[in-house]
Amino acid sequence: EIVMTQSPATLSLSPGERATLSCRASQSVSTNLAWYQQKPGLAPRLLIYGASIRATGIPARFSGSGSGTEFTLTISSLQSEDFAIYYCQQFNKWPMYTFGQGTKLEIK
Amino acid sequence: QVQLVESGGGVVQPGRSLRLSCAASGFTFRSYGLHWVRQSPGKGLEWVAVVSYDGDHKYYADSVKGRFTISRDDSKKTLYLQLNSLRVEDTAVYYCTRVVVPGVIWDAFDMWGQGTMVTVSS
Repeated sequence: EIVMTQSPATLSLSPGERATLSCRASQSVSTNLAWYQQKPGLAPRLLIYGASIRATGIPARFSGSGSGTEFTLTISSLQSEDFAIYYCQQFNKWPMYTFGQGTKLEIK
Repeated sequence: QVQLVESGGGVVQPGRSLRLSCAASGFTFRSYGLHWVRQSPGKGLEWVAVVSYDGDHKYYADSVKGRFTISRDDSKKTLYLQLNSLRVEDTAVYYCTRVVVPGVIWDAFDMWGQGTMVTVSS
């Protein structure tokens, strides 16, 4: 099983600041990596897939990078609606999709 | 409107069964691979099962293999998950999801339902 490890567990920032979230895979997943945003009581929303492709309707302030085992989600200038939990997911080694444990982005 | 809507959740005793449904609308249902993902209260996300666009391929997480069965009815545009021999640890919100690219199984999930809660408790 590929283990996805996200860091930090919690990130405290202020609106307007830049957020950098990390995701590490225990073995290479190429660019078969997605990022999701989840707000309380709601389903996750796809932000990034293929490690760096923004999903439909996702603002340009969200960007993804990386390949192999190291990935980054960057939010260039935080808006109030961006404070949520973020998950990475690998879909390289199937039939076992795995998700990271999440990074909670909270208002400082 | 493009959406997935789950139903069928509830409270059930350990060892009993439940069937979840996911009704799709607004897209060509028969063209997409579909998955179930669950989230235990206060926890992260766990992939559960997938069925290919043509229904020929089905795969399951080890934690549910032999107990859960995924199926689809393209005429009704509905995805199902039959949950048998339920355990306390199966308690979770169950989401149905659609992959980004038609015709593939393994891909990111660009559409999610609102989820349906399954509680397994004596």
